Amino acid sequence: EAQVTQNPRYLITVTGKKLTVTCSQNMNHEYMSWYRQDPGLGLRQIYYSMNVEVTDKGDVPEGYKVSRKEKRNFPLILESPSPNQTSLYFCASSTSGIPNYGYTFGSGTRLTVV
Amino acid sequence: QQQVKQSPQSLIVQKGGISIINCAYENTAFDYFPWYQQFPGKGPALLIAIRPDVSEKKEGRFTISFNKSAKQFSLHIMDSQPGDSATYFCAASPYISGNTPLVFGKGTRLSVIA
Repeated sequence: EAQVTQNPRYLITVTGKKLTVTCSQNMNHEYMSWYRQDPGLGLRQIYYSMNVEVTDKGDVPEGYKVSRKEKRNFPLILESPSPNQTSLYFCASSTSGIPNYGYTFGSGTRLTVV
Repeated sequence: QQQVKQSPQSLIVQKGGISIINCAYENTAFDYFPWYQQFPGKGPALLIAIRPDVSEKKEGRFTISFNKSAKQFSLHIMDSQPGDSATYFCAASPYISGNTPLVFGKGTRLSVIA
């Protein structure tokens, strides 16, 4: 089954403790992206990657890092999480050439930073 | 600034009624307008999309209407059903994105009541 898999689904952590949210897709998509979803703010893009070793900032990149060493994986790294990063996070992927056509989203990671 | 303004924030419709969600965009370079549907606990999923070469696109009970001169587009759900209760996001971008990400509206929470 074609899918984007995020782990973990739920995470509670303390301020300052580094964490990584993993994202993997099995569709051979070049384009991958991370979004955060907050009530009243909708979906905001954090980082995206056009291909392996090619990443760029989205609208709200502060406090986050990403890497794209393999085509299928696009982890999101919070080096020093803060309470304002409490949110619902989604990874998405898309076919190359027309990256914005038909995003496939993961099921989400609900992160709470206390 | 690249924005997509979506209204209303929430919508309650009787079963069998018509649900209408509106979006407006600013960037004239946008020529791809998808709608995503999100059920609780799930990631958004592509529902239907339109490009400006047509003014309307219909897929089953879902119709997108597009007004290029007004820079507006809307989603109509005919014969709304309780199973349509979800959050709906409009989005916009250039069809060939380059470095321009898909920009999402803030979402509309639709409740269809029997």
